Amino acid sequence: RKEVEQDPGPFNVPEGATVAFNCTYSNSASQSFFWYRQDCRKEPKLLMSVYSSGNEDGRFTAQLNRASQYISLLIRDSKLSDSATYLCVVTPEGSTLGRLYFGRGTQLTVWP
Amino acid sequence: GAVVSQHPSWVICKSGTSVKIECRSLDFQATTMFWYRQFPKQSLMLMATSNEGSKATYEQGVEKDKFLINHASLTLSTLTVTSAHPEDSSFYICSARDPQGGMNTEAFFGQGTRLTVV
Repeated sequence: RKEVEQDPGPFNVPEGATVAFNCTYSNSASQSFFWYRQDCRKEPKLLMSVYSSGNEDGRFTAQLNRASQYISLLIRDSKLSDSATYLCVVTPEGSTLGRLYFGRGTQLTVWP
Repeated sequence: GAVVSQHPSWVICKSGTSVKIECRSLDFQATTMFWYRQFPKQSLMLMATSNEGSKATYEQGVEKDKFLINHASLTLSTLTVTSAHPEDSSFYICSARDPQGGMNTEAFFGQGTRLTVV
């Protein structure tokens, strides 16, 4: 079983739509959770960390459910510039500087 | 913020030659760096963990004699693809996290190197 499983997508939505991505992780002792964004042929960049209480950053809302080992990302009022691949990333227990486990990524295309 | 710089951003080489990729942490000291490989439409796959002053730790299935890693200083790790073949063509990317940052610290990535072996 993979460490991190993600909705494969692709998601194709019109501008202004709300879209949600899901992700599950296998290690219940995982410590840290992130959503990264990767544009085509570019390096991943941090979109937001995910905290147990859930957190919001503008149009983006991330939620964590430790009991279900589930992470979500909600994008409201989608913009053309949101088109990218979104990576769910998990840090295992005891891995302050350690490896990250990446989901396969969910591709989003926002059309005008 | 902390920055990781990777060079070169792309390289084309002949089959059988070796290619060296550099990864530098610009404003923090990275005792640990990570090397990933990404094939088209695939996720980033960890190849190895580069440890300053000691041997790298390779993931299962990654040939250590083919992918040589050197982490001679706290700000530089290099990955050398030896005797490259067309199947080694991929996007190679390094990352590091600032050890001062704590558990939730962001991982910074180099710009990536697109290797094409012809």
